[in-house]
Amino acid sequence: EPEVTQTPSHQVTQMGQEVILRCVPISNHLYFYWYRQILGQKVEFLVSFYNNEISEKSEIFDDQFSVERPDGSNFTLKIRSTKLEDSAMYFCASVRTGEAFFGQGTRLTVV
Amino acid sequence: AQSVTQLDSQVPVFEEAPVELRCNYSSSVSVYLFWYVQYPNQGLQLLLKYLSGSTLVKGINGFEAEFNKSQTSFHLRKPSVHISDTAEYFCAVSPTAFQKLVFGTGTRLLVSP
Repeated sequence: EPEVTQTPSHQVTQMGQEVILRCVPISNHLYFYWYRQILGQKVEFLVSFYNNEISEKSEIFDDQFSVERPDGSNFTLKIRSTKLEDSAMYFCASVRTGEAFFGQGTRLTVV
Repeated sequence: AQSVTQLDSQVPVFEEAPVELRCNYSSSVSVYLFWYVQYPNQGLQLLLKYLSGSTLVKGINGFEAEFNKSQTSFHLRKPSVHISDTAEYFCAVSPTAFQKLVFGTGTRLLVSP
């Protein structure tokens, strides 16, 4: 069965550094999402992406965040200057009608 | 805007006992409803979904849920749980098939022998 793949599974970075989280969505899906889950808290929507542009973003998704689909397959989330509070599990999802398929997540630890 | 309330943060239950995990939602429009399960250190897996039609929805691993529009609820049930059902369960809502999911805070199901 097709699946969403995320790399790396765990990333440790120093505060102020840039990180890029990578996702390979399911190939025939058209809608892509990033969510995050701070430890012990609920899963929160960050951004949705359709037709090579952002279709919706949350208040969390400020200027330090960006997304792109550089080569038609990978879907990346970039955090330009990481803060301690960016430490969380980041999930990528791709959607077909009525069902979101989630990757295994990237655990980002900012130190 | 939509919101989801999962009142129970943790539900302890013995193996082979029935369980119900509660979910209530708030929305001014029709919604799609979902239950996801998260096993330790893993991603989110869809258990079941309500899009339209029958209000009783059956999912994987023997779980089912009932959509109750008048009570704005979508409670998850299983008649007999296993140790392997120990996980975090998230209820989620979306206004359409392609829009973002709004998640509840999750319910940790703890199954003991």
